[in-house]
Amino acid sequence: AQTVTQSQPEMSVQEAETVTLSCTYDTSENNYYLFWYKQPPSRQMILVIRQEAYKQQNATENRFSVNFQKAAKSFSLKISDSQLGDTAMYFCAFLNNAGNMLTFGGGTRLMVKP
Amino acid sequence: DTEVTQTPKHLVMGMTNKKSLKCEQHMGHRAMYWYKQKAKKPPELMFVYSYEKLSINESVPSRFSPECPNSSLLNLHLHALQPEDSALYLCASSRTPGGTSGDTDTQYFGPGTRLTVL
Repeated sequence: AQTVTQSQPEMSVQEAETVTLSCTYDTSENNYYLFWYKQPPSRQMILVIRQEAYKQQNATENRFSVNFQKAAKSFSLKISDSQLGDTAMYFCAFLNNAGNMLTFGGGTRLMVKP
Repeated sequence: DTEVTQTPKHLVMGMTNKKSLKCEQHMGHRAMYWYKQKAKKPPELMFVYSYEKLSINESVPSRFSPECPNSSLLNLHLHALQPEDSALYLCASSRTPGGTSGDTDTQYFGPGTRLTVL
């Protein structure tokens, strides 16, 4: 079974600054997928970014980028130029090679302050 | 379009009631999922449907009964629930249940149904 750990229950950042959310995971699989989802108070779970384990290049989506370290089983999310709308719960998630089991970390609550 | 819809948004029911949650997607996705999310916790997988067939049941009590009438629709029938079943119920879908591309496996979530059991 896979486990996903987010060691920062809460974080805060000033508007326009950069923040990094941490995620580590444990698996015996070699091929898998990793995701960051955002869940604002409206509760809709929104895909932020995804990373295929077989790709060495780190994924980027506008202000969001990841630092994927496969050997260390680490998958951190960097948010640049933080905006008030980034305030949300962020979940790191692991998808197994079979593609049918998505395991979530405990979440990090991010507050962007004006 | 990556829209998954869920109805109702809110549901209050007694322990003797029978109710249903509905989830719909028109993206041609062939895998659909039910998750349960308690406050300040991550979602927990309940059921997985693959090509309209139940492929995973995460030891969910029988008072929760899923149904997939067609490839676009997923229901969750509720009967004799307990107060501890109160939670946010999320539906998700993905293009295929398992594939070789992260794009096909990416799960897209609906807005959820907030369930309160009295």
